[in-house]
Amino acid sequence: ILNVEQSPQSLHVQEGDSTNFTCSFPSSNFYALHWYRWETAKSPEALFVMTLNGDEKKKGRISATLNTKEGYSYLYIKGSQPEDSATYLCAFRGGGNKLTFGTGTQLKVEL
Amino acid sequence: GAGVSQSPSNKVTEKGKDVELRCDPISGHTALYWYRQRLGQGLEFLIYFQGNSAPDKSGLPSDRFSAERTGESVSTLTIQRTQQEDSAVYLCASSFQPYTEAFFGQGTRLTVV
Repeated sequence: ILNVEQSPQSLHVQEGDSTNFTCSFPSSNFYALHWYRWETAKSPEALFVMTLNGDEKKKGRISATLNTKEGYSYLYIKGSQPEDSATYLCAFRGGGNKLTFGTGTQLKVEL
Repeated sequence: GAGVSQSPSNKVTEKGKDVELRCDPISGHTALYWYRQRLGQGLEFLIYFQGNSAPDKSGLPSDRFSAERTGESVSTLTIQRTQQEDSAVYLCASSFQPYTEAFFGQGTRLTVV
């Protein structure tokens, strides 16, 4: 059984705050680490696919880093806005190619 | 179509009945996944299809669950003799290659009464 864990489980921040959350995954047999954003009443939407140790990806105010040797990835949001409110999921791809998802971090950005 | 399409969007069924859920992936996507999310829980892997390879069925929770995919097109997930614990949102996703991002459908909300 693959353990993909995310923390914190939920997070409330004020508009304009910067925040980050963690995804931990097996450090062996690593192929890729995905991040998705899942807004209420919508389907999950891909943010990043990361494959190399030390990878850093950025999309607007959101960025992610990857450490495959120790098995963790961080997702950062700079200057949070209410529209960033969503559940952020990471997913680990190992040798079998299936994506194993974490349980997500639920972010609420308040005015 | 432009995205992954799932039908029906909602299904209410009586306990013991069979249901069939359909997924139309994005054209050209070789990989197709089924997941479900039960209330208050995360995304649970069910089954993965990749091209003409044998599917990874390791996530199917019981032999009441089965899925098929014709080539690189439509997939159907069948649940026989539904139970109340089968109530969940069933999500389908497809990707161009196994290592690229997955695109999700809107899901089928299944309620077993």
